Amino acid sequence: AQRVTQPEKLLSVFKGAPVELKCNYSYSGSPELFWYVQYSRQRLQLLLRHISRESIKGFTADLNKGETSFHLKKPFAQEEDSAMYYCALSGPPYGQNFVFGPGTRLSVLP
Amino acid sequence: DGGITQSPKYLFRKEGQNVTLSCEQNLNHDAMYWYRQDPGQGLRLIYYSQIVNDFQKGDIAEGYSVSREKKESFPLTVTSAQKNPTAFYLCASSLQDQPQHFGDGTRLSIL
Repeated sequence: AQRVTQPEKLLSVFKGAPVELKCNYSYSGSPELFWYVQYSRQRLQLLLRHISRESIKGFTADLNKGETSFHLKKPFAQEEDSAMYYCALSGPPYGQNFVFGPGTRLSVLP
Repeated sequence: DGGITQSPKYLFRKEGQNVTLSCEQNLNHDAMYWYRQDPGQGLRLIYYSQIVNDFQKGDIAEGYSVSREKKESFPLTVTSAQKNPTAFYLCASSLQDQPQHFGDGTRLSIL
């Protein structure tokens, strides 16, 4: 069965410190992986997807098929990064089978 | 933001009552989805629709019903059979094989 786990419910870091939000998945095949973010009082929005290999707002995520992980990283956290982050996967047929992790709340302290 | 509009923002339901949550999109997306968000559980898929007049059950469809008579609209009815309806409901839409775009959500509470 496909599943996404995010082991940390809450992650607190100081401004300027590196941050890593962990995501592990289980899926028998080649899924597509995503990170979504929800800032306070805003709607859930796509942050990045692994196939685009982009860096959005300084965040990057590398798909490690051997470890079945898709950790989200940023070298220097900013206070405006404080939000709820969800890791998600989609399996073929892509778009129909979307599974979200439970989410990690990131709090960046001044 | 435009794109996907969910209404109402807050909804209250009496015991034994059916209520319908609205979701409209003007993005010309083929696919639409309904999720339920509970604290600590992430998003769980209730129903999804890939094309008009067709929809599929998600992981937690019991006690819910949907219709897709128009491409732009995908209303969700929470029936009296849903024993624990208090939750935050999110609607999303997407083009085929593309990431989903989300609405602002509807918070449903039981009186």
